[in-house]
Amino acid sequence: QVQLQESGPGLVKPSETLSLTCTVSGGSLTNYYWSWIRQSPGKGLEWIGYIYYTGSTNFNPSLKSRVTISLDTSNNQFSLKLSSVTAADTAMYYCTTGYDAFDIWGQGTMVTVSS
Amino acid sequence: QSVLTQPPSVSGAPGQRVTISCTGSSSNIGADYNVNWYQQLPGTAPKLLIYGNNNRPSGVPDRFSGSKSGTSASLAITGLQAEDEADYYCQSYDNRLSGSKVFGGGTKLTVL
Repeated sequence: QVQLQESGPGLVKPSETLSLTCTVSGGSLTNYYWSWIRQSPGKGLEWIGYIYYTGSTNFNPSLKSRVTISLDTSNNQFSLKLSSVTAADTAMYYCTTGYDAFDIWGQGTMVTVSS
Repeated sequence: QSVLTQPPSVSGAPGQRVTISCTGSSSNIGADYNVNWYQQLPGTAPKLLIYGNNNRPSGVPDRFSGSKSGTSASLAITGLQAEDEADYYCQSYDNRLSGSKVFGGGTKLTVL
């Protein structure tokens, strides 16, 4: 059974880059799509983007200019980088797997953007 | 403003049937893309509840069912239980937004 676990700083300063990692256990990165989704406090879900195990990516057009998603196959991880953050990027960040439907989710990690 | 529109809240008494609607457009649900539904219990990560419009993952009770017609989809919950009180989100794909996955704004279900 695949499990996902997010990790990274819980506090990021405005204008800096948010960096999170998702560790995949119980399975391989191969043959799957890996996504990041966020949820601002009290708000709904927003898909950030995905990476396929081949390295191909697709991003939410509203975030595309600031997002990078990458794979680390040696450590069975994938990562999110979001640049030039503002308070609007304060959210719970989830890593998930699936293409059409997101069937496995991490527990989420809260990131606050504040000086 | 979410691409998919859901009612902010619905409610029902234990044992009753409730439905949650999800309205899209010709670039997402109406383009025959699948609709998926997620349940988010308070303080937890979302959980896949319905995939491919009307399929339940293993372990999801058959009290939950999904349907789709035209540019809309619905989630039905029968035999409402207190443990069903949660936020529910629909999700699909939109071909106008560079292949983005899109969500509804979420519906808070209150069990009276």
